Amino acid sequence: GQQVMQIPQYQHVQEGEDFTTYCNSSTTLSNIQWYKQRPGGHPVFLIQLVKSGEVKKQKRLTFQFGEAKKNSSLHITATQTTDVGTYFCAGNKLVFGAGTILRVKS
Amino acid sequence: DAGVTQSPTHLIKTRGQQVTLRCSPKSGHDTVSWYQQALGQGPQFIFQYYEEEERQRGNFPDRFSGHQFPNYSSELNVNALLLGDSALYLCASSLGHNTGELFFGEGSRLTVL
Repeated sequence: GQQVMQIPQYQHVQEGEDFTTYCNSSTTLSNIQWYKQRPGGHPVFLIQLVKSGEVKKQKRLTFQFGEAKKNSSLHITATQTTDVGTYFCAGNKLVFGAGTILRVKS
Repeated sequence: DAGVTQSPTHLIKTRGQQVTLRCSPKSGHDTVSWYQQALGQGPQFIFQYYEEEERQRGNFPDRFSGHQFPNYSSELNVNALLLGDSALYLCASSLGHNTGELFFGEGSRLTVL
């Protein structure tokens, strides 16, 4: 079945540093979504990418969808303590990656 | 406008018992999906309901079953509980079953002893 791998599993950065998490699917995706889950909370939708090579920005967050629609990335510029949480990618709304835990030292 | 609501928030069961979890979708949404999230892992897709029918199903045994009612609310039933069923069960609603963002509820934390 379809699998979605996400790396790294965990990243601890100094406030102000950049952060990137990568998502790779075993099959071509129709769409990919990104979610953020704060500790003790539930996943909250960030964005959906549909087109090959698509790039979308939300303030300090940049999302990319690969040309082959099998991989994606989320990049955060100049992290802040409010960015703390686990970031998940989800292929076709069904298959979630294991997530990348982001910790930010102030 | 109420978001996705789930009940109960926490419950404890023993092995072999049965449990029913409930979900009310966000107003205007017609699709409900259920996920199991074990500690430290990503949500695992259980199944999706649209128009009162199970449309897609993940890799979960038949002990996991569900239902969607005409008002779009949904139930998740798990029979013959195992220790490994202990997890956070998340309900997510969306408009349409193909694309669109998922709105998650706070989840039901199930502990099986």
